[in-house]
Amino acid sequence: NAGVTQTPKFQVLKTGQSMTLQCAQDMNHEYMSWYRQDPGMGLRLIHYSVGAGITDQGEVPNGYNVSRSTTEDFPLRLLSAAPSQTSVYFCASSQRPQGDRDNEQFFGPGTRLTVL
Amino acid sequence: AQKVTQAQTEISVVEKEDVTLDCVYETRDTTYYLFWYKQPPSGELVFLIRRNSFDEQNEISGRYSWNFQKSTSSFNFTITASQVVDSAVYFCALSGSNSGYALNFGKGTSLLVTP
Repeated sequence: NAGVTQTPKFQVLKTGQSMTLQCAQDMNHEYMSWYRQDPGMGLRLIHYSVGAGITDQGEVPNGYNVSRSTTEDFPLRLLSAAPSQTSVYFCASSQRPQGDRDNEQFFGPGTRLTVL
Repeated sequence: AQKVTQAQTEISVVEKEDVTLDCVYETRDTTYYLFWYKQPPSGELVFLIRRNSFDEQNEISGRYSWNFQKSTSSFNFTITASQVVDSAVYFCALSGSNSGYALNFGKGTSLLVTP
């Protein structure tokens, strides 16, 4: 198992450009989520998904779009990048806690994005 | 709404001292999970512990111990005999059904252990 993979690892954009941060998991997890990390702010939830076709907003969703067409993939789209979106982005996945199943969370290595 | 508060922004200790990192949480979920993560300067998130809301048993793992108290909504983390390698940012986090078990993080506590 590769776990949770994120691409690219680094990216530099100009203001107004668009791009997609990729996130994939091979553990058949239902739940996936995106976070951004800024100095002094911890990690903040951008969007999350509880299954294919189902997404919802987190704490800081503005400027980001997501979709979940497959269980494996959960891409994060920046339609018009802004300097305020300069951050480190983490993707995570977990299975649904049911019965004795636990809520173990698996994180990707992160994508460092700079918007000039 | 869920909220995690780590009141200590930065802590500095001398090697071999014991240090406790505080975490207070708020949630309306009856079933929830609490986590601690370590983030070293290299940037990756290192999982330390996970607890569900039905298990208030304290846990010890080597020099690390955790105290979970539902009565005070706290999940504190103690490092005994700290070492320089413990220097990192530590995050407390909470997940519950209301947000698809996505994590709600505290802002983190930066721990510096000096020789």
